[in-house]
Amino acid sequence: GQNIDQPTEMTATEGAIVQINCTYQTSGFNGLFWYQQHAGEAPTFLSYNVLDGLEEKGRFSSFLSRSKGYSYLLLKELQMKDSASYLCAVRSMRGTALIFGKGTTLSVSS
Amino acid sequence: GAVVSQHPSRVICKSGTSVKIECRSLDFQATTMFWYRQFPKKSLMLMATSNEGSKATYEQGVEKDKFLINHASLTLSTLTVTSAHPEDSSFYICSATHSGRAGGTQYFGPGTRLTVL
Repeated sequence: GQNIDQPTEMTATEGAIVQINCTYQTSGFNGLFWYQQHAGEAPTFLSYNVLDGLEEKGRFSSFLSRSKGYSYLLLKELQMKDSASYLCAVRSMRGTALIFGKGTTLSVSS
Repeated sequence: GAVVSQHPSRVICKSGTSVKIECRSLDFQATTMFWYRQFPKKSLMLMATSNEGSKATYEQGVEKDKFLINHASLTLSTLTVTSAHPEDSSFYICSATHSGRAGGTQYFGPGTRLTVL
């Protein structure tokens, strides 16, 4: 079966660093994606990993270990606007739809 | 680049009517588009895969006669909710695969909130 797990909720304070973990078990692997979704809006693309290692993009970084079926999204210098749901998604085969985790709701407080 | 639009953004209709939702890739061609629905505080649920020029592939449990999908061009896919009922009220989101981006990234439209009275 296909299974993607991530924590339901996390809290952090402005200026801090937070790491959102994601573990997956899928029939195949052709990339892992992270999306940000604010309430009532569609998801926006944050990052993509297909090879092991760290991808850095500004305040956001994403890490992948294919052998462990594990990824994390790292958010630095947190801002209030980072309060949102963060979705981990895996594509099992090229050209197929993404399989989404249930999302992690991050609340950033001052 | 990689902008996906959806229209309408919000629709309220009476039970029994049909509603058409359009999904367009504005600055790239998308041979494959996907339709999702999302309930409050829940994750995205894939409904169907829409391929240009061919029939859509529906996920298990999704009624193809109720949710009609047409992908007439490389930039447009439509979802028609036929004979809508209150339980069809949901947030419908489309996405399009940009084959020119790393990994064929999926970009999402802004979503359509459907309320059936």
